[in-house]
Amino acid sequence: AQTVTQSQPEMSVQEAETVTLSCTYDTSESDYYLFWYKQPPSRQMILVIRQEAYKQQNATENRFSVNFQKAAKSFSLKISDSQLGDAAMYFCAFSGAGSYQLTFGKGTKLSVIP
Amino acid sequence: DVKVTQSSRYLVKRTGEKVFLECVQDMDHENMFWYRQDPGLGLRLIYFSYDVKMKEKGDIPEGYSVSREKKERFSLILESASTNQTSMYLCASSLLALSYNEQFFGPGTRLTVL
Repeated sequence: AQTVTQSQPEMSVQEAETVTLSCTYDTSESDYYLFWYKQPPSRQMILVIRQEAYKQQNATENRFSVNFQKAAKSFSLKISDSQLGDAAMYFCAFSGAGSYQLTFGKGTKLSVIP
Repeated sequence: DVKVTQSSRYLVKRTGEKVFLECVQDMDHENMFWYRQDPGLGLRLIYFSYDVKMKEKGDIPEGYSVSREKKERFSLILESASTNQTSMYLCASSLLALSYNEQFFGPGTRLTVL
């Protein structure tokens, strides 16, 4: 069974600064997908970024990028130029190839300080 | 845009009551999911459905059942609600049964069982 670990229950960042959220996972599979989802307060959860394990290049979506270290089984999310709207719960998730189930971490609550 | 709606944002029920949580998606998605979200535990999969009348158990199916009579609607049923089922319930859908597919989430139903 896969496990996803987010070791930082809460983090904070100054507006316009950069913050990195950590995620590690454990799996015996070689082909899989990793995701970061964002859940703003009282709003629906949305996908932030997605990484295919077979791709060496780190995924980037505007101010959001990941640092994917396959050998270390690490998948961190970097948010650059943090904005007040980035305040949310962030969940790291894993999906094995051939499975449409997501395994989620416990989440990191990010606060953005004006 | 994909829209996933849930019948109630807040629900209060008594122990032993039969509870129905409804979820509807409007984008002809094949897959639908029910998760339970608890602080410090992240999201845990209760059931998912990959087609009409088809369902599979997730990680925590005990005490729950589901129904999918139409493609757009997926219901979660608590046959006899208990206080330990007090939680936030999230519904999600995805287009295809593929591991890299984005899941689209509803706003959640916060259920309190007294």
